[in-house]
Amino acid sequence: RKEVEQDPGPFNVPEGATVAFNCTYSNSASQSFFWYRQDCRKEPKLLMSVYSSGNEDGRFTAQLNRASQYISLLIRDSKLSDSATYLCVVNDYKLSFGAGTTVTVRA
Amino acid sequence: EPEVTQTPSHQVTQMGQEVILRCVPISNHLYFYWYRQILGQKVEFLVSFYNNEISEKSEIFDDQFSVERPDGSNFTLKIRSTKLEDSAMYFCASSQREGEKLFFGSGTQLSVL
Repeated sequence: RKEVEQDPGPFNVPEGATVAFNCTYSNSASQSFFWYRQDCRKEPKLLMSVYSSGNEDGRFTAQLNRASQYISLLIRDSKLSDSATYLCVVNDYKLSFGAGTTVTVRA
Repeated sequence: EPEVTQTPSHQVTQMGQEVILRCVPISNHLYFYWYRQILGQKVEFLVSFYNNEISEKSEIFDDQFSVERPDGSNFTLKIRSTKLEDSAMYFCASSQREGEKLFFGSGTQLSVL
């Protein structure tokens, strides 16, 4: 089983829609979790950390489910500028990246 | 806002040549990392470095690779004898504490011909 698995998508959504996707991880001892955003051929940029109680940053909501070993990201009222690949990152003695979920927001 | 800087942004080399990729991490960060991303593939961990020594490395990081912090600011990745399959974007990253969020440089695109 891969350390970090993501649905690759792509998720094609109209502007204003809500889109959500998950990331599963294999190591139950993983301590910290993050969502990064990567635009084509650019470096990953931190979108948000994921806390046990769940957290929100504007239109973005992240959740952690330790029992089922997954984290989720929900984007509300999606904008064209949200089009990107979203990378799940899990700290299990090293920071491991998922392969990414591609989101395309269309006008 | 402080940032991680990497040079060069592009490097073209012949197979079998040595390359050195350079990074200047954020100044108060203590943990340093190299990742690589082959075109169309996921970001892969290569190595982490703390207190002037390697703390973790992946299977990719074989004897052809080495890292160094030659002074108080630079962090380098050396590939001794490049292979075609080393062609990738190489990202340097740093963090203040272990397991905390990473800040990435803009990457060095390495092309091995």
